[in-house]
Amino acid sequence: GIQVEQSPPDLILQEGANSTLRCNFSDSVNNLQWFHQNPWGQLINLFYIPSGTKQNGRLSATTVATERYSLLYISSSQTTDSGVYFCATAAGNKLTFGGGTRVLVKP
Amino acid sequence: GAVVSQHPSRVICKSGTSVKIECRSLDFQATTMFWYRQFPKQSLMLMATSNEGSKATYEQGVEKDKFLINHASLTLSTLTVTSAHPEDSSFYICSALDRTYEQYFGPGTRLTVT
Repeated sequence: GIQVEQSPPDLILQEGANSTLRCNFSDSVNNLQWFHQNPWGQLINLFYIPSGTKQNGRLSATTVATERYSLLYISSSQTTDSGVYFCATAAGNKLTFGGGTRVLVKP
Repeated sequence: GAVVSQHPSRVICKSGTSVKIECRSLDFQATTMFWYRQFPKQSLMLMATSNEGSKATYEQGVEKDKFLINHASLTLSTLTVTSAHPEDSSFYICSALDRTYEQYFGPGTRLTVT
């Protein structure tokens, strides 16, 4: 099956800093999603981005499908950005999740 | 975005009893739903794919007789953990696939078996 690796595993940021999270995947995919899991466990959809670039407020994402990676950019980080960020990919309908990046934004 | 609900959010049960968890897509129809399990500080692991009107497809290593899945309508899938034991304690999360093939997740159910 598809292997999904995320880096870094942990990230500590000072409020206001920018950061880049990376997701590498091992095979061609037709779906790639980024999620933020909040402290209560809810996964919040950030981006559905099998290819190209999207932006939503302070967050943006880019997927280069031919090179099998995706990047999530967080700009001007806030304490509410803390939590775990997951990327997940699928070759059909079944998502395979990466191990996540645990982000802590300090005030 | 689409909304998926789960009920209950938390459940504590005694060893040997069964627990049913409901997953509903509130504002869209979902022919396909998924059930995941997440242990503390780990990623989500897919347990099974639930297809409306047909049998669920289980991932390797998941006991279908222990984790019963029913997808009787386009907005409801249920997961029943039968004869629960402490090792079944976990965070169970469902998702529903919308017509654009994006998955939306429920808030999860924290199961504790004593």
